[in-house]
Amino acid sequence: DTAVSQTPKYLVTQMGNDKSIKCEQNLGHDTMYWYKQDSKKFLKIMFSYNNKELIINETVPNRFSPKSPDKAHLNLHINSLELGDSAVYFCASSQFGATGELFFGEGSRLTVL
Amino acid sequence: AQKVTQAQTEISVVEKEDVTLDCVYETRDTTYYLFWYKQPPSGELVFLIRRNSFDEQNEISGRYSWNFQKSTSSFNFTITASQVVDSAVYFCALLKGTQGAQKLVFGQGTRLTINP
Repeated sequence: DTAVSQTPKYLVTQMGNDKSIKCEQNLGHDTMYWYKQDSKKFLKIMFSYNNKELIINETVPNRFSPKSPDKAHLNLHINSLELGDSAVYFCASSQFGATGELFFGEGSRLTVL
Repeated sequence: AQKVTQAQTEISVVEKEDVTLDCVYETRDTTYYLFWYKQPPSGELVFLIRRNSFDEQNEISGRYSWNFQKSTSSFNFTITASQVVDSAVYFCALLKGTQGAQKLVFGQGTRLTINP
């Protein structure tokens, strides 16, 4: 049973489209994250949510809008996709107050043509 | 500023050789946590180790060992008797921020290739 699952795993779309990536965790964690890995493999945080509340917004363009309907889900919606949005997006979760590891999903590879 | 530097972009060795991946970090915090993650060709991120700033003991797990040196702000990772399955990108990371607003700051990653 996958701990952190993301869908879809692959997404190919045209510039200007709107797309969403969904993430769910069954670990009982209350904090979830979105990280972006660019073509050079650099990993950078985009957002974090704790109990559905936005905690970290790392100067991400307004076209990116995370939504957390409950603490087990964190979705990422991207409007007006641009070529530069092509990347692998990782969802992760952890437990608030713990300094333990983040549990990552398998990643969603977004390709914008 | 908090920063993690992995100066080695790519390393290539022959199987059974020992290899060390370097990690240097910068932080003003007195309490902090360091991590290593592995990203195999399949793409997922696999947790390897967490080390807190108060524990400078070296850690060994099978063929993997970690050398944490606060004096040089380094947290190096050594694979002994490397195997082809060790081929991956390895990331060192620093946990930054207060509880609830924590985030991992990653190094640039080191691509390790183990040749048969």
